[in-house]
Amino acid sequence: GQSLEQPSEVTAVEGAIVQINCTYQTSGFYGLSWYQQHDGGAPTFLSYNALDGLEETGRFSSFLSRSDSYGYLLLQELQMKDSASYFCAVRSNSGGYQKVTFGTGTKLQVIP
Amino acid sequence: EAGVTQFPSHSVIEKGQTVTLRCDPISGHDNLYWYRRVMGKEIKFLLHFVKESKQDESGMPNNRFLAERTGGTYSTLKVQPAELEDSGVYFCASSQALSYEQYFGPGTRLTVT
Repeated sequence: GQSLEQPSEVTAVEGAIVQINCTYQTSGFYGLSWYQQHDGGAPTFLSYNALDGLEETGRFSSFLSRSDSYGYLLLQELQMKDSASYFCAVRSNSGGYQKVTFGTGTKLQVIP
Repeated sequence: EAGVTQFPSHSVIEKGQTVTLRCDPISGHDNLYWYRRVMGKEIKFLLHFVKESKQDESGMPNNRFLAERTGGTYSTLKVQPAELEDSGVYFCASSQALSYEQYFGPGTRLTVT
């Protein structure tokens, strides 16, 4: 089966940089996604990494190391509106199907 | 373009009752997924439709849950009879064929008392 681990909570100061780590165990790995969910809202897609390295999209970057089964989401120039839960999700081949397995989420609190 | 919509937004029912949740995916999205999140836990996969066919229903907890997607458009998820542990937020998501990006609906918050 698949399993993912990420910290349950992170607190960071407005304007700072924060890194949210995700380690996973799976077979048939395709790629790692990140989603953001504000309280009471729908998860929204942030990024997807299929290959090793860093992908940058504005203030957000996502990194993947397939050999280490590890990835992270980097948020720069933190803003109060970045307070939300962040989920990593593994896309993998499961019994011939492509399956997406989510982690438990990291609740990020941005403080002034 | 309209996003994924779900109905109802909230539902409170008593144990033993039946509830049907509805999801309307983005038009043209063949892939439709149901997930559930119990407070503080992971977004747990329930099942995946490709058009009207169930591609993977390995996450369905038991036979009290029945999902359908007649005609390959909207989908329903029926819980019958509901149990206390079924409480949580049920999310629906859709995606285009071969796309890794899923678009989530706002969810239905189900409370079983």
